[in-house]
Order: sequence, then C-alpha cells, then structure tokens
Amino acid sequence: NAGVTQTPKFQVLKTGQSMTLQCAQDMNHNSMYWYRQDPGMGLRLIYYSASEGTTDKGEVPNGYNVSRLNKREFSLRLESAAPSQTSVYFCASSGDREKDNEQFFGPGTRLTVL
Amino acid sequence: AQKITQTQPGMFVQEKEAVTLDCTYDTSDPSYGLFWYKQPSSGEMIFLIYQGSYDQQNATEGRYSLNFQKARKSANLVISASQLGDSAMYFCAMREESGGSYIPTFGRGTSLIVHP
Repeated sequence: NAGVTQTPKFQVLKTGQSMTLQCAQDMNHNSMYWYRQDPGMGLRLIYYSASEGTTDKGEVPNGYNVSRLNKREFSLRLESAAPSQTSVYFCASSGDREKDNEQFFGPGTRLTVL
Repeated sequence: AQKITQTQPGMFVQEKEAVTLDCTYDTSDPSYGLFWYKQPSSGEMIFLIYQGSYDQQNATEGRYSLNFQKARKSANLVISASQLGDSAMYFCAMREESGGSYIPTFGRGTSLIVHP
C-alpha cells in the first residue's frame, strides 16, 4: 500500500519551460488536491478534484492546469514556468465522508524555476 | 481575512514540558473539521489529530490533545511531555464543505523547537 506517490521529487526548470507533476493514490479516494508550500505561507490550495472528471480552482490557480485522469491519478501542469512558481508542491487525497478526517499527503516535489 | 490564524511563528519548549500551539479559525459553516499536521525537517506532512465541529469532547491522540473552544473559534494543540523529536513545523487546518466537496485551508504554521 503506497498511499500517495508523486513524481518527480526534484525538478529544475528554466523560465518558460513546461512540465507535469504526477500524483497517484491507491486508497480509492474520490478527493484529490494540489498544494504549494512557500516559506511563511503554509500550504495553499492550487486545484482540487472532488471526483473523477471534475476539477475546481483553489486559492492560487493562476499559471496551473490540472487533469483528473482517472480515480487514482491527478496531474498538475505548468505550461510556462515562472520563477514565482518555485515552491514545494504537495499532492493529497482524502475520503469524502464526514468521518474521513485525514488528508494523506505525498512526499512533495521541490521545483526550482530559474 | 485569514480563515486559519496561527499567531506564533516560533515556539521554544524544554524537553519533557508541555507546550500549547495556538490556532484560531473563521467560518460561518455549522459543520467543519479541524486538523493539526506536523512537518519535520524531512518535509513530509504527518497527520496528528482531528476535531469535528459537533464533537462534544476534546480530541486526544497519545501525547497530543486539541483544546477546542467553539465559542472562541479556537483549536489549540497541546503537546504533553515534549520530546526532541517534536521539533518541527506544526500546521493547523480547517475543512469546510462546499458543494459536496471538503475544502481544506491551512494556517501559516508554527515552528516548534524542543531544547534538551
């Protein structure tokens, strides 16, 4: 049982390059999330997906796109990377019942945009 | 306005002593959940404790307890008998329901350092 996996763990991009961060979970969760973490800012929600085929914007969606490929996978795409997108990115999943009271996080991707 | 406020950027505690990390929240929803996560220097997010808005008793998990004061909208984390391994960032979070989805919001975190 791997939980939530993310690839890659580290990435360096040049301004203007594109890339996709991959996330997969094996807990049969409907809800999946993408966050970015910057020093002093906590975790900020970029996009979330409440179920396969649906995605919604979070607090900081500009410059990102997402795809909920199937129930397991939720990818985050940077079409034209900017230095302001240098951050640590976390994917998470959770159940969607009232008693599902925990988000499970992936190990994170550290992205640097030069 | 921030939905989750953690007013202590940094806290220091002596090993074996208790420490309280503050968290206040803002919501108009009657049903919500409150969480605490620990992030050690290795970077992973570790779930510690959960409190539902309708729970009558304060949540406890081992050395962690959540001091839930609903009228004050506060959800402070109490760590008893601090250990060196408790040194980490601690994040308070709230989950609200929106259109059938549960949307979490995190605070900016408190850095805890435990001294020997």
